[in-house]
Amino acid sequence: KNEVEQSPQNLTAQEGEFITINCSYSVGISALHWLQQHPGGGIVSLFMLSSGKKKHGRLIATINIQEKHSSLHITASHPRDSAVYICAAPGRAGGGADGLTFGKGTHLIIQP
Amino acid sequence: EPEVTQTPSHQVTQMGQEVILRCVPISNHLYFYWYRQILGQKVEFLVSFYNNEISEKSEIFDDQFSVERPDGSNFTLKIRSTKLEDSAMYFCASGGVRYEQYFGPGTRLTVT
Repeated sequence: KNEVEQSPQNLTAQEGEFITINCSYSVGISALHWLQQHPGGGIVSLFMLSSGKKKHGRLIATINIQEKHSSLHITASHPRDSAVYICAAPGRAGGGADGLTFGKGTHLIIQP
Repeated sequence: EPEVTQTPSHQVTQMGQEVILRCVPISNHLYFYWYRQILGQKVEFLVSFYNNEISEKSEIFDDQFSVERPDGSNFTLKIRSTKLEDSAMYFCASGGVRYEQYFGPGTRLTVT
């Protein structure tokens, strides 16, 4: 079973700062998910990546398969980025319809 | 843009009652999932469904739980005899290809 660890658990930053959230997992995987959850509970998929780097607007996600590590970066952070960011990976190596194992999430607050 | 929908958004039930949570996955998706999130805790995998059968289930998904895809569009989660500890937000997700997952807005289940 995959173990997914995230850091930091809480992060408060000023508007405009560069944000990094880290994720490590224990079992080799084919894809890792970064998700966003706002107060009120809905989960939005930000990225699914299996290698290298993906970028969407001010969000960048990277993954190092050999080191079993991924990072989510936010450039020029804004108060509307305040949310919980969650890393999730398939529970078993090579899982297809296998469910995701979730990290505990990083609670990000961006102050104006 | 197509999205996963879930009904109801909030369900209140008495302990021992049966509940059915409904999900309409994105059309043409093949992989279906149920997750739950107890208040203040991380999201947990319940069950995945592919090719009209359960693909994987977690230890949480005991005999009190069942899933069904009754008509080719809906995907339901039934809890036969609810307990207080079943109170949680339940998320449905679907994917068109392996590893992909789009989440619904969730159903908040309150068991009294």
